[in-house]
Amino acid sequence: GQQLNQSPQSMFIQEGEDVSMNCTSSSIFNTWLWYKQDPGEGPVLLIALYKAGELTSNGRLTAQFGITRKDSFLNISASIPSDVGIYFCAGVKNFGNEKLTFGTGTRLTIIP
Amino acid sequence: NAGVTQTPKFRILKIGQSMTLQCTQDMNHNYMYWYRQDPGMGLKLIYYSVGAGITDKGEVPNGYNVSRSTTEDFPLRLELAAPSQTSVYFCASSSVDRGPNQPQHFGDGTRLSIL
Repeated sequence: GQQLNQSPQSMFIQEGEDVSMNCTSSSIFNTWLWYKQDPGEGPVLLIALYKAGELTSNGRLTAQFGITRKDSFLNISASIPSDVGIYFCAGVKNFGNEKLTFGTGTRLTIIP
Repeated sequence: NAGVTQTPKFRILKIGQSMTLQCTQDMNHNYMYWYRQDPGMGLKLIYYSVGAGITDKGEVPNGYNVSRSTTEDFPLRLELAAPSQTSVYFCASSSVDRGPNQPQHFGDGTRLSIL
């Protein structure tokens, strides 16, 4: 089955740095979602995107729905220690079909 | 504000044993889902349900069964546990009452080891 390709697979940054990650697919998705997963917990929704070209912010997080509908981007500004975790993108192909396709994840580590 | 609740949190099974993973949600969501997450991977859909009495297969349904007798509950059953089913299992729910593509809310997972 298809999984979305996320890059980078892992990131090691210093506190205060900005972070960028992306998610790509060979096929079109009509909804893009970004989740964060902390160790031992389920994914928590960060941002949902419903229209091509849409740019949405949630505090220090900003995500964009790519114009081609085959990609999405997540940026985190001025990272803080609690940003550590695994970030997953997820896509929904068809309106009314709620099945999510998940990305492979980006593991974010903050170096003290 | 419970949201999606999964039990148990951890379980060790012997090969060939059976068990049921419980999932309940108190948000009156009509859609519910079961995923598995293998180490270093994203989540893969096992089964989903669009409402009480209706279930359908996801990407990796073999070796599992589900039922949806109520809106709140969506148990996942393993009949003959195999080592390949060692994974972390997540239940999720969503609502389409306000339109399609409403985000899914996840439980904290059940970590299952088959030895």
